[in-house]
Amino acid sequence: KAGVTQTPRYLIKTRGQQVTLSCSPISGHRSVSWYQQTPGQGLQFLFEYFSETQRNKGNFPGRFSGRQFSNSRSEMNVSTLELGDSALYLCASSWTSGEETQYFGPGTRLLVL
Amino acid sequence: QKEVEQDPGPLSVPEGAIVSLNCTYSNSAFQYFMWYRQYSRKGPELLMYTYSSGNKEDGRFTAQVDKSSKYISLFIRDSQPSDSATYLCAMSAVDNAGNMLTFGGGTRLMVKP
Repeated sequence: KAGVTQTPRYLIKTRGQQVTLSCSPISGHRSVSWYQQTPGQGLQFLFEYFSETQRNKGNFPGRFSGRQFSNSRSEMNVSTLELGDSALYLCASSWTSGEETQYFGPGTRLLVL
Repeated sequence: QKEVEQDPGPLSVPEGAIVSLNCTYSNSAFQYFMWYRQYSRKGPELLMYTYSSGNKEDGRFTAQVDKSSKYISLFIRDSQPSDSATYLCAMSAVDNAGNMLTFGGGTRLMVKP
């Protein structure tokens, strides 16, 4: 069974631009969560989508948004990029919402110049 | 102070040693406890998952949870060079409206041949 896939794997943007990252969950998984990983703050929860609805949201500004499609694939968008948004963005999937066994993808490494 | 504290290491041990990795936490609502392993430039991989207090064993890995002390541990027996990675503890509360995990900062482990 294929794991969680994320595209693109690497991205370079400049300040003020926006970016869209994509995540395809494990087949059959309906919950997708997004996390930001930085050396200073570690892994921090961004938001979770289940059945195309945002279930939970972390403490991030409104520049960070996401959505989920009917096939459970998810995208996250960051608008007006700042240097501090440089990070590894990880997507995790699970069968359903409220299930703690989440499986992570390889991440998208974003560099903001 | 962060909700979950983890010694960043690095922890360097010889091959075959018993490794002890630990996390402390402050939120008494945490009921689910997980350990993830993350290799360089990869996403976190779920190793162990424990609900509430007690021990759980899987091969060379043993997870322990002491809720009275708000302390969790991961033991690795007969450590191998392939165990060299960053180990992340993660937790979630029963009252979460979804899949939000709170992570420790990670401990970098190096097992020397």
